[in-house]
Amino acid sequence: GNSVTQMEGPVTLSEEAFLTINCTYTATGYPSLFWYVQYPGEGLQLLLKATKADDKGSNKGFEATYRKETTSFHLEKGSVQVSDSAVYFCALSSNDYKLSFGAGTTVTVRA
Amino acid sequence: DARVTQTPRHKVTEMGQEVTMRCQPILGHNTVFWYRQTMMQGLELLAYFRNRAPLDDSGMPKDRFSAEMPDATLATLKIQPSEPRDSAVYFCASGYRTGLNTGELFFGEGSRLTVL
Repeated sequence: GNSVTQMEGPVTLSEEAFLTINCTYTATGYPSLFWYVQYPGEGLQLLLKATKADDKGSNKGFEATYRKETTSFHLEKGSVQVSDSAVYFCALSSNDYKLSFGAGTTVTVRA
Repeated sequence: DARVTQTPRHKVTEMGQEVTMRCQPILGHNTVFWYRQTMMQGLELLAYFRNRAPLDDSGMPKDRFSAEMPDATLATLKIQPSEPRDSAVYFCASGYRTGLNTGELFFGEGSRLTVL
C-alpha cells in the first residue's frame, strides 16, 4: 500500500536558518507528491506539489524535488521566518486519489 | 474565494450524545473526504465520497460513525453515541477528480470536538 514517512519533529530554528524536512514514500504506480502546511488553528493548505519524477515544486521560498530513484520529496527553505512556524505534512496521491499523509513535522522559528 | 466550509467550528458535548458535523464542499468538486486529526494518531482518513457515492469508509468505526452526502453541496459526519475518545479535530476536504488531475485537496478549517 501507499505510505509516507517524514522526519520527526519538533524542529526549532532561528530566523534566517536553513530548513530541511525529509520525506520518503512507498507507492504503487506513479504518485503525485505534495507538501501541505497547517498554521495554528487552521486547516491544511497546499504548499507545493510535483506530479512526475524530477519535477520541482516551489512556493513561498520552499522547494521540493520529486526523486524517483530515492523515493524522496524533501522540503527545503533557504532562510526561514517566524511566520513559517507551522506543521508540515508530506503526502502522496496515487491512482485511487486518496491522499496518504505523513505524521507531520512541527517547525518553530525563533526571532 | 472558493473554500470548504465546516460547521460547527467547536463543539463540546457529553458522552452518549449525538454529534453531527457538516461540510459544504467547493462548488463543482466531485470528491469529498473526512479526516480526523489527533496528537496521537495524526491525520486519519475516515471516509471518501466521489460523486456523492461512498467509496471508502474503512477508517470509520461503523458502530457509531456514519457519513453521508444528501446532495452535492452537503456532506455530514455523525457520531452516535459519542465517546471521550472521539475528541479530535475533524476535517472535511474536497477536490475534483478526473483521469489526469493531480489529486490536490482543499481543506476546511475543521470542527474541534470535545466529548466529556
